[in-house]
Amino acid sequence: GESVGLHLPTLSVQEGDNSIINCAYSNSASDYFIWYKQESGKGPQFIIDIRSNMDKRQGQRVTVLLNKTVKHLSLQIAATQPGDSAVYFCAEKRGLTGGGNKLTFGTGTQLKVEL
Amino acid sequence: DVKVTQSSRYLVKRTGEKVFLECVQDMDHENMFWYRQDPGLGLRLIYFSYDVKMKEKGDIPEGYSVSREKKERFSLILESASTNQTSMYLCASSIGTLYNQPQHFGDGTRLSIL
Repeated sequence: GESVGLHLPTLSVQEGDNSIINCAYSNSASDYFIWYKQESGKGPQFIIDIRSNMDKRQGQRVTVLLNKTVKHLSLQIAATQPGDSAVYFCAEKRGLTGGGNKLTFGTGTQLKVEL
Repeated sequence: DVKVTQSSRYLVKRTGEKVFLECVQDMDHENMFWYRQDPGLGLRLIYFSYDVKMKEKGDIPEGYSVSREKKERFSLILESASTNQTSMYLCASSIGTLYNQPQHFGDGTRLSIL
């Protein structure tokens, strides 16, 4: 996942612009990745996922890109809106180790949408 | 939609108390998880369960225990609360291990130990 620090990286974008949030993952054997959005005072909300046999997956206004060569994941948000302001973090599945689909989470990026 | 419900949004307890955090999911998911979330440290797995009465330690199980008597309910227990257990606690559930499926989270319990 992302490097751990006391302060979240922050991405500020203008309303209507596209946002790109990046994540470096740690395990080359990871085969499943997820992006979550967490608004203040709420739990993480599933946005989109991708399996390692894919390079790209699109949802509604969001696209996830996976580059396995450099172990990099990105989330693109089109036409960013004020409601997109939140912390975004990636998660990678650790693999089947007795069950449970355990995930390793990055520490997140704060997205701020400026009007 | 998956619904994961945590019994309390905010909880204040005293050092040494036994604390129970409850979580219920309504999607018949096999897997349930307890995390704590602290600034700068992200989500850390405390315990998880992949079936009724089954449990496995996560990354930081010390000072915690869990109970899963029914499929839909997963309880986190702080045996003797300490101030360093002040944190946001998040419960999640997911479908069984044969599938790559996301975990779905509740809105968390913010626990303060005084």
